[in-house]
Amino acid sequence: ILNVEQSPQSLHVQEGDSTNFTCSFPSSNFYALHWYRWETAKSPEALFVMTLNGDEKKKGRISATLNTKEGYSYLYIKGSQPEDSATYLCAHSNDYKLSFGAGTTVTVRA
Amino acid sequence: DVKVTQSSRYLVKRTGEKVFLECVQDMDHENMFWYRQDPGLGLRLIYFSYDVKMKEKGDIPEGYSVSREKKERFSLILESASTNQTSMYLCASSSPSLGNQPQHFGDGTRLSIL
Repeated sequence: ILNVEQSPQSLHVQEGDSTNFTCSFPSSNFYALHWYRWETAKSPEALFVMTLNGDEKKKGRISATLNTKEGYSYLYIKGSQPEDSATYLCAHSNDYKLSFGAGTTVTVRA
Repeated sequence: DVKVTQSSRYLVKRTGEKVFLECVQDMDHENMFWYRQDPGLGLRLIYFSYDVKMKEKGDIPEGYSVSREKKERFSLILESASTNQTSMYLCASSSPSLGNQPQHFGDGTRLSIL
């Protein structure tokens, strides 16, 4: 049983459209919430590490928010492009280990 | 840029064999991790190490051991490979932290046990 849950498991989005998806995690003993992008045949790449309630981070067209009190984070992709197709992993930390969700696989259709 | 290198992208071994997966990082990171990834499951931590010769069990250590004789190298050992160890194995490293530093991953080793 995963204590970090991501939804949806997969989604398809039209090129140019925006999308978002969720990561839920235990709100107790929170240290950090990580987001990674994992493209096929590549290694997972860190997008964001967020530590404070209310944190918002942005990297190009991708942004993330964090609510530690209720235990969720959203990842947003604005104006999706084919190169955004990947599996997006979130991971929760309550010490120096990470617990990962199963990921949301995003497919951007041209 | 951090480089984490895993020795093989694909590996096929037989049941009962002793299997070594090697991982090397070039950023002088103290922390190193071994995960496995299976469909529908998140990355699951097998073992991690926060210093040379130090190791701690992760969530699924059974059937595995590790070795960290040098800071840059972290090896995962399948003592007697079984078919349920067929999986994608990922190595990662990070600087010392309480979980607030990103982990840097290798490209993964897809291991098949026949």
